[in-house]
Amino acid sequence: NAGVMQNPRHLVRRRGQEARLRCSPMKGHSHVYWYRQLPEEGLKFMVYLQKENIIDESGMPKERFSAEFPKEGPSILRIQQVVRGDSAAYFCASSPRRSETEAFFGQGTRLTVV
Amino acid sequence: GENVEQHPSTLSVQEGDSAVIKCTYSDSASNYFPWYKQELGKGPQLIIDIRSNVGEKKDQRIAVTLNKTAKHFSLHITETQPEDSAVYFCAATYNNNDMRFGAGTRLTVKP
Repeated sequence: NAGVMQNPRHLVRRRGQEARLRCSPMKGHSHVYWYRQLPEEGLKFMVYLQKENIIDESGMPKERFSAEFPKEGPSILRIQQVVRGDSAAYFCASSPRRSETEAFFGQGTRLTVV
Repeated sequence: GENVEQHPSTLSVQEGDSAVIKCTYSDSASNYFPWYKQELGKGPQLIIDIRSNVGEKKDQRIAVTLNKTAKHFSLHITETQPEDSAVYFCAATYNNNDMRFGAGTRLTVKP
């Protein structure tokens, strides 16, 4: 049973381009969370999704950021018109169900905006 | 929503000593408290967790305690080893399984 898979591991984008980050949850997991981590800082919650539904997006910036978790395929975190401040490590985690259950993290995607 | 505070931000101990990291949370409805270890360049890994119906849990050199009345929980690592050096995060979840993290503690174990 493969763990949470994120790709790409490293992504370089020029200012103004779009970044697409993918997350394939563990087999049997239908809940996905995205977090952002700046260097030397903690994990900031961005969004929590269940298959085809956004449950909580209170941590998502109002503009340029969007997330989806379609019925088939990976969860996608999309950042439009990237700026230097978007440079960070983006982690996703998955869990099999709601409430009182372990969430497992992927290795992260390190986004660098040049 | 949930607010999780974690202390200290950095901790340095001598190999063989114990390390304690403390967290507080704000939402009394929180019911699940995991701890993660993050090594450089890697994703966080779950090392131990505790649920709200339990006061203490132990796994070899690692233990976690929970005080629901005071809304705080702690990670205890005994007989520390250099490979325990990492950043440790506490987290709290509430009813809909949203998970909020503390700011992290950078633990250094000196040989």
